[in-house]
Amino acid sequence: EDKVVQSPLSLVVHEGDTVTLNCSYEVTNFRSLLWYKQEKKAPTFLFMLTSSGIEKKSGRLSSILDKKELFSILNITATQTGDSAVYLCAVQYGGSQGNLIFGKGTKLSVKP
Amino acid sequence: SAVISQKPSRDICQRGTSLTIQCQVDSQVTMMFWYRQQPGQSLTLIATANQGSEATYESGFVIDKFPISRPNLTFSTLTVSNMSPEDSSIYLCSVSFGQGGYEQYFGPGTRLTVT
Repeated sequence: EDKVVQSPLSLVVHEGDTVTLNCSYEVTNFRSLLWYKQEKKAPTFLFMLTSSGIEKKSGRLSSILDKKELFSILNITATQTGDSAVYLCAVQYGGSQGNLIFGKGTKLSVKP
Repeated sequence: SAVISQKPSRDICQRGTSLTIQCQVDSQVTMMFWYRQQPGQSLTLIATANQGSEATYESGFVIDKFPISRPNLTFSTLTVSNMSPEDSSIYLCSVSFGQGGYEQYFGPGTRLTVT
């Protein structure tokens, strides 16, 4: 059965800390891995990763994919209270435009 | 990316009734997707809405319960039929862009509470 597993499920840090969120997957017909930030209802797109070893960066956030070991990490440096959210990892699979299997998410709380 | 809107933003409905959720995109897209997020859970794909053909439903979801329309390339509706409290969830539509891997963007969601 296809699955996406995120760890930890929750994390509490203080402002300025660096955090690493993990996502491992077992999915047939893998196409890409996506990271989202969910603060209220709608997940906000962060990154899409398709190739191993190529880091994607956006400000204080970065992510990398390892297709051999079937995992990805999302790093957030110099965390701020505005980073508090649930971070979702999803794997896209299938034929044409693909569908997504989501992990359960990591709830990040950043304290002042 | 795309600008995606959903209506209604939230609703409280009585069991046994039906609710239709609308999703509008500001550009033409081939495929749109509908997801459900039950309280405390992650997102689960309900179906893929294809323009000009029947929607494709995931295991555990049926057309009689979640009929979908896709009349054109910018619009889709999801109906939650004969609702029960177990249908209380956030319902999200999404669209995808790109080639090879597809970036998928989500609408703002509809929070449904069934009493």
